[in-house]
Amino acid sequence: DGGITQSPKYLFRKEGQNVTLSCEQNLNHDAMYWYRQDPGQGLRLIYYSQIVNDFQKGDIAEGYSVSREKKESFPLTVTSAQKNPTAFYLCASSATSGRIIPFFGPGTRLTVL
Amino acid sequence: GQNIDQPTEMTATEGAIVQINCTYQTSGFNGLFWYQQHAGEAPTFLSYNVLDGLEEKGRFSSFLSRSKGYSYLLLKELQMKDSASYLCAVSFTGGGNKLTFGTGTQLKVEL
Repeated sequence: DGGITQSPKYLFRKEGQNVTLSCEQNLNHDAMYWYRQDPGQGLRLIYYSQIVNDFQKGDIAEGYSVSREKKESFPLTVTSAQKNPTAFYLCASSATSGRIIPFFGPGTRLTVL
Repeated sequence: GQNIDQPTEMTATEGAIVQINCTYQTSGFNGLFWYQQHAGEAPTFLSYNVLDGLEEKGRFSSFLSRSKGYSYLLLKELQMKDSASYLCAVSFTGGGNKLTFGTGTQLKVEL
């Protein structure tokens, strides 16, 4: 069964703690993306990666970090420097040639208390 | 920035047709996407337009005019389950395939 998985679905953390969100895909996609969604706003790009061991900042990268050590995995760390981390986090992946259509994982809802 | 504009909310009747518009800046346009998102869930892909014209897929159709920076999503024979947010997104050249999203149109289907 090909797809994108994110875990956990719901995550609670205390203010000041770093937290890492998991994203795994078995679609053999080269590109992976992290978006954040807040009520009343569109999805905003945090980081993206076109290939293993390489990634670029999106529009709102401050307070976040990523790694891309394997093609299948693109974990996102929300650091204590992120001012307002409570949000719905969505991971997506896509091919990098042909019909380039990003498909989304189920998302992780992070609440910082 | 590259603004993507779409109406915030729309209401339509079950069985009817609804058109959701989206406008964007034409400079550097590469492709336009529509996604459906139910509350609390991830967006699911609906359509992808690169060339001008209408793409039909069952009850859903999407239209693109690149010169006008305009697209619409047409939903026919509306069902209650079509109540959701519809997201318009654009990829721009030189952007590494990343998408810029509008804020979404919340569609409510009523009896």
